[in-house]
Amino acid sequence: GENVEQHPSTLSVQEGDSAVIKCTYSDSASNYFPWYKQELGKRPQLIIDIRSNVGEKKDQRIAVTLNKTAKHFSLHITETQPEDSAVYFCAASIGGTSYGKLTFGQGTILTVHP
Amino acid sequence: NAGVTQTPKFQVLKTGQSMTLQCAQDMNHEYMSWYRQDPGMGLRLIHYSVGAGITDQGEVPNGYNVSRSTTEDFPLRLLSAAPSQTSVYFCASSPTGVPLHFGNGTRLTVT
Repeated sequence: GENVEQHPSTLSVQEGDSAVIKCTYSDSASNYFPWYKQELGKRPQLIIDIRSNVGEKKDQRIAVTLNKTAKHFSLHITETQPEDSAVYFCAASIGGTSYGKLTFGQGTILTVHP
Repeated sequence: NAGVTQTPKFQVLKTGQSMTLQCAQDMNHEYMSWYRQDPGMGLRLIHYSVGAGITDQGEVPNGYNVSRSTTEDFPLRLLSAAPSQTSVYFCASSPTGVPLHFGNGTRLTVT
């Protein structure tokens, strides 16, 4: 089955700096890649997603890039703020009848210091 | 819309007890799923449903049963609780498979 590796496991940055989290996946058939943010004690919430026919997607301070050849995708957060502190999860999914079956990475604890 | 509602929020069980975690959604979503979240392991798919009467196993289905008799409800049954099932359980729904809309979770402790 699919395997998703996420790095780093923890990331500490100063407010205003950029943060980058990387994920690699094993199944070349995967074609949907979401990123979730989870605050302490809360549910995961989708912050951005990308499909395999797109190389990059941006939403204000957040961007995701996808390299299908290398089978990796990354989350970029610019101008980080203390409220960006949370656990971030990447995930991958194969299409068709397995479209909603997500395989998640292990998570990255992001801490933004004021 | 209430979204995805999970009950209970917290539960403590003794080894060998059985229980049902409830999940309901009012968005008329066809796709529903159950994930468990353990420290350092992300979320792992337990069971999955693409519509009423249709279920499928995920990555970690052992010890859990599901059924989908209505579009709205997708309960998760623990047949004989074990300490290894101590976890936070999230139910999710989606109109087309993705993206997932998660409930607020159920924190289960098995002693």
